[in-house]
Amino acid sequence: EIVMTQSPATLSVSPGERVTLSCRASRSVSNNLAWCQQKPGQAPRLLIYRASTRATGIPARFSGSGSGTEFTLTISSLQSEDLAVYYCQQYDDWPLTFGGGTKVEIK
Amino acid sequence: QVQLQESGPGLVKPSETLSLTCTVSGYSISSDYSWGWVRQPPGKGLEWIGSMYHSGSTRYSASLKSRVTMSVDTPKNQFSLMLSYVTAADTAVYYCARQYYSGSAWYHFDYWGQGTLVTVSS
Repeated sequence: EIVMTQSPATLSVSPGERVTLSCRASRSVSNNLAWCQQKPGQAPRLLIYRASTRATGIPARFSGSGSGTEFTLTISSLQSEDLAVYYCQQYDDWPLTFGGGTKVEIK
Repeated sequence: QVQLQESGPGLVKPSETLSLTCTVSGYSISSDYSWGWVRQPPGKGLEWIGSMYHSGSTRYSASLKSRVTMSVDTPKNQFSLMLSYVTAADTAVYYCARQYYSGSAWYHFDYWGQGTLVTVSS
């Protein structure tokens, strides 16, 4: 099983600041990686797939990069509505696995 | 607009079978996407349960494989999850989701249902 490790576990950021979230795979997943956002009390929402492609309707301030085992989700200028837990997920191999999540708090 | 909605009992007794249905609207379940289930125990992260294509091809989590069955009802545009011999550890919010599928390869989940909480308790 491919283990996905996210860091940090929690991040406290002021509005307008740049945010960088990390995700590491225990072995290469090529670019078969997605990021999703889960706001409090809501279902997850797809943000990024294929490591760097924004899903439909996702604001341009969200961007993804990386390949192989190291991936990054960047929020260029944090908005208050970005308060959420962010999960990475690999779909390169079975079983599909998620990272433990990074909680983004607003200062 | 693609929408998914989970339905089923919110309370299941230990050792019984959890049964959930996902109703899909705005997209035909027999078209070129696959369908999956993901769960989230209270306060914890996401766990993939299984995925299936409308042809019947399925993939299950190894840790749940002996207890999981997924099926599709094409005329009703629904797919279902059954999880047998449940315990308190199966208490979670269960999400159904659409999964991109192309060339026999399975990809990301792009649309999710709102989720339904299932509690296992006597």
